[in-house]
Amino acid sequence: EVQLLESGGGLVQPGGSLRLSCAASGFTFSSYAMSWVRQAPGKGLEWVSGIRGGGTTTYYADSVKGRFTISRDNSKNTLYLQMNSLRAEDTAVYFCAKDLYTNTWGWFDPWGQGTLVTVSS
Amino acid sequence: QSALTQPASVSGSPGQSITISCTGTSSDVGGYNYVSWYQQHPGIAPKLMIYDVTDRPSGVSNRFSGSKSGNTASLTISGLQAEDEADYYCSSYTSSNTWVFGGGTKLTV
Repeated sequence: EVQLLESGGGLVQPGGSLRLSCAASGFTFSSYAMSWVRQAPGKGLEWVSGIRGGGTTTYYADSVKGRFTISRDNSKNTLYLQMNSLRAEDTAVYFCAKDLYTNTWGWFDPWGQGTLVTVSS
Repeated sequence: QSALTQPASVSGSPGQSITISCTGTSSDVGGYNYVSWYQQHPGIAPKLMIYDVTDRPSGVSNRFSGSKSGNTASLTISGLQAEDEADYYCSSYTSSNTWVFGGGTKLTV
C-alpha cells in the first residue's frame, strides 16, 4: 500500500524558514515524479512544485520561485520542500503527492494527509 | 498563472446527472489534453478522479466522466449519490511547464 507521510509543519515568523519532509513507502520511490500542493485555510488547491524521479528536473509555481526548493533523497524514499523567506500568504496545509504512473508528470495520486504551515508573528 | 474558472457551487438530486465546467485559456486547458479532476471531502486529502481529460484511474466509478471543448473542460457525474457530495477541482498543464488548479466547486447532493 502506498503511504505518504508529511512532517515539518508548524508556526514560523514572516521571513523565516521551514523544511517539510514527505516519507514515502509502498512503491519504487525513484520511479515516480512527486509534487507539493498546498491549500490555504478554507481555500482551493494550489500547485507549488514538482520534481522528476531522478531528482534533477524541478518545477515551481511563480508564487514560490526563488524562495522554495524541492528535492528528494531516493536512498531514503523522502521528498523535501525547503521554504525560505516565508510570507503570511504561504500559510496553508501542504500536501505531498505521488504521480499516478511512472514516466508521467502531473497526475497526483495518491496524496499524503498534509502538514499545516502557519506564517505569523 | 491565474486559476482556472469553475462555478462556486452546483447541486443535484440523487440519481440525477450534473456537470461542472472548468474554463482556462489556450495556454492551459485549450492547449493540451492534460486536464484532471480531483474530489475532496472535508478534512481529507484530494483524490484523483479523471486524468488526460477523459481517463479514469483504476477503482473510480464509471459514473464519473470528463470531456473538453476548446478552452473549457467538464466533469459529469451521473446517477448522483450522497457520497458524491464534496468539493471538486480541475487541474491543467500549462505552457510554463507547471500545473494550475481551478478555484473548486462545491457539489451538494
